[in-house]
Amino acid sequence: QQQVKQSPQSLIVQKGGISIINCAYENTAFDYFPWYQQFPGKGPALLIAIRPDVSEKKEGRFTISFNKSAKQFSLHIMDSQPGDSATYFCAASLNAGKSTFGDGTTLTVKP
Amino acid sequence: DGGITQSPKYLFRKEGQNVTLSCEQNLNHDAMYWYRQDPGQGLRLIYYSQIVNDFQKGDIAEGYSVSREKKESFPLTVTSAQKNPTAFYLCASSVTGTGLADTQYFGPGTRLTVL
Repeated sequence: QQQVKQSPQSLIVQKGGISIINCAYENTAFDYFPWYQQFPGKGPALLIAIRPDVSEKKEGRFTISFNKSAKQFSLHIMDSQPGDSATYFCAASLNAGKSTFGDGTTLTVKP
Repeated sequence: DGGITQSPKYLFRKEGQNVTLSCEQNLNHDAMYWYRQDPGQGLRLIYYSQIVNDFQKGDIAEGYSVSREKKESFPLTVTSAQKNPTAFYLCASSVTGTGLADTQYFGPGTRLTVL
C-alpha cells in the first residue's frame, strides 16, 4: 500500500510557465513534508520543505501548498526555467526520520 | 567540504557474487539510510540506522545486509540472494534519527549492474 501518491508522472511546461506537482498522503501522523530535486545521475537534494502547522511556504520561485484536511500538498514552480528540468520527489516523514517517497515527476521545461 | 561520499560510482557484478557499496559521511549525522532507485518507482528504503551498532530493515531488505560500526560509515552488501540487484543505490543521512523528522542529505549514488 503506497502511502504517498504523486502526480503527474511527467510534465512538460514552456519556459516562464507554472509547473505544479501534487502529492497525497494517507498517514496523518506524518510531520515533515519535503520536496527533493534530482538531476540525472545525481543524488536527490532538498528543494523546500514544510511542516503541517503552516499552509504555505515560499522560497524564491518555489512554493509548497499544504492542505491538512485533504491530506494533500503540492509544489508550484513559478517562471519555470530550462534549468529546472529534473525529477522531483515529494516525501513524508515521521518522527523517526524515515521517509516515504512518491514515485517522482519528470519535469521538462521547453525553451 | 562536508557531505556524503559513495563509492564506487559504477559497479559491475557477476551473478552469484556479493558486492559491498561504501557510504561515508562527515556531517556528524546520527541517522543513515540506504535506498534503491528503479525507473518509475521512486526511492525504496532498504535499511536504516539511527545510531551506531543498530539498524533496522526497510521495505525491501531481503538480499541485502548492512553494518554500522562507526558513526560516519554505513556500508551496504548486496548478496547473491538479491535476485534483481541492477539499480541505482543511494545513501543518505540526517541529523536526528529520533524526534522531529528532518532533511535527508543524499550521496551521489552507485549504479550497480549485474552481468
